[in-house]
Amino acid sequence: DAKTTQPPSMDCAEGRAANLPCNHSTISGNEYVYWYRQIHSQGPQYIIHGLKNNETNEMASLIITEDRKSSTLILPHATLRDTAVYYCIVRVGNAGNMLTFGGGTRLMVKP
Amino acid sequence: DTGVSQNPRHKITKRGQNVTFRCDPISEHNRLYWYRQTLGQGPEFLTYFQNEAQLEKSRLLSDRFSAERPKGSFSTLEIQRTEQGDSAMYLCASSLIPNTEAFFGQGTRLTVV
Repeated sequence: DAKTTQPPSMDCAEGRAANLPCNHSTISGNEYVYWYRQIHSQGPQYIIHGLKNNETNEMASLIITEDRKSSTLILPHATLRDTAVYYCIVRVGNAGNMLTFGGGTRLMVKP
Repeated sequence: DTGVSQNPRHKITKRGQNVTFRCDPISEHNRLYWYRQTLGQGPEFLTYFQNEAQLEKSRLLSDRFSAERPKGSFSTLEIQRTEQGDSAMYLCASSLIPNTEAFFGQGTRLTVV
């Protein structure tokens, strides 16, 4: 699976949009981009995933560049409960094989 | 359905002892995964099952580690002759193929003293 690069930490003001970037310049055509987050002392939580089109669900939006070498996870109105480590993962195919987690981005939402 | 359940939540053991953790996946999920997470790091894959078949094992899964999923439902992860380096959070996840999102449990935190 392709490696990803994320900033180690970011801050965001409560109520503002949080934009979390991820670089995956070596992504292959059959690899999807997944985002998970991990709130302190809990297991990771699935957020969203996509192949090449932008995706939106009740939690977030995923914007993938046209060349697919990078993506951005957008939390439209961040709350204090969104403080967590966010992991960007690329994975082959649309099957349930294992996830390879990197270091992630520690997002701190501040009042 | 209450999600993926892991027991115990915490385990303290003396070096050299054997420990066993249990994972109950979401009902009817056919894939079950084990991960290990040390402080400040992302989770590392250990192994996964499809139904009762163990399909892949990481190099991290030394011969002191064994995982089973005897009836394709719950799974156990056993560590024999524990070492201090085994201290970590052990996470279990499940998914339903062909859906791809995995649902994680709260984990079992192991401390080897």
